[in-house]
Amino acid sequence: QKEVEQNSGPLSVPEGAIASLNCTYSDRGSQSFFWYRQYSGKSPELIMFIYSNGDKEDGRFTAQLNKASQYVSLLIRDSQPSDSATYLCALHGSSNTGKLIFGQGTTLQVKP
Amino acid sequence: EAGVVQSPRYKIIEKKQPVAFWCNPISGHNTLYWYLQNLGQGPELLIRYENEEAVDDSQLPKDRFSAERLKGVDSTLKIQPAELGDSAVYLCASSIQGGTEAFFGQGTRLTVV
Repeated sequence: QKEVEQNSGPLSVPEGAIASLNCTYSDRGSQSFFWYRQYSGKSPELIMFIYSNGDKEDGRFTAQLNKASQYVSLLIRDSQPSDSATYLCALHGSSNTGKLIFGQGTTLQVKP
Repeated sequence: EAGVVQSPRYKIIEKKQPVAFWCNPISGHNTLYWYLQNLGQGPELLIRYENEEAVDDSQLPKDRFSAERLKGVDSTLKIQPAELGDSAVYLCASSIQGGTEAFFGQGTRLTVV
């Protein structure tokens, strides 16, 4: 089992819709969770981080964490074509809190 | 504030040749990471430094890869000799300390021919 799993997609949503990106992880002791956005040919850009169970909102983005279910999600409201990118889920594992482990990413396509 | 700076941005070399990448982290960031990213995959950690100490190099292929961060600031990653399978994007990232948010440089795209 991979440490961080994401559906590679592509996930296609119409402009203005809510995009829901999901991530599961295997290390129950993981503490810190991050969402990175990566445009094609560019480096990952941090857009959200969440440490506690529940929701965290930042503009059109909401990160959701459920440690009991080992599940992290990212919701993008009012999706725009400029949101089309690959979204990478990452975490710091419990055994080595400094190691940042990534999933393979989910490609999001927002169609005008 | 300047972000993480990497150079070169692109590098094309013949197999068996050496190559080196350079990274300057964000000022004040003690933790520095080198990642490798293959097409369609997430970044994979090669090595992590806390100041000048390599605290996690378990994924670094030590027969051909080496890295250093002598003064706890800039870092270099070297491959010698390069193989065709080393073609990838090499990303450097830094954070204030391990466990906090990491910020990435633009990466070096290596092509081995």
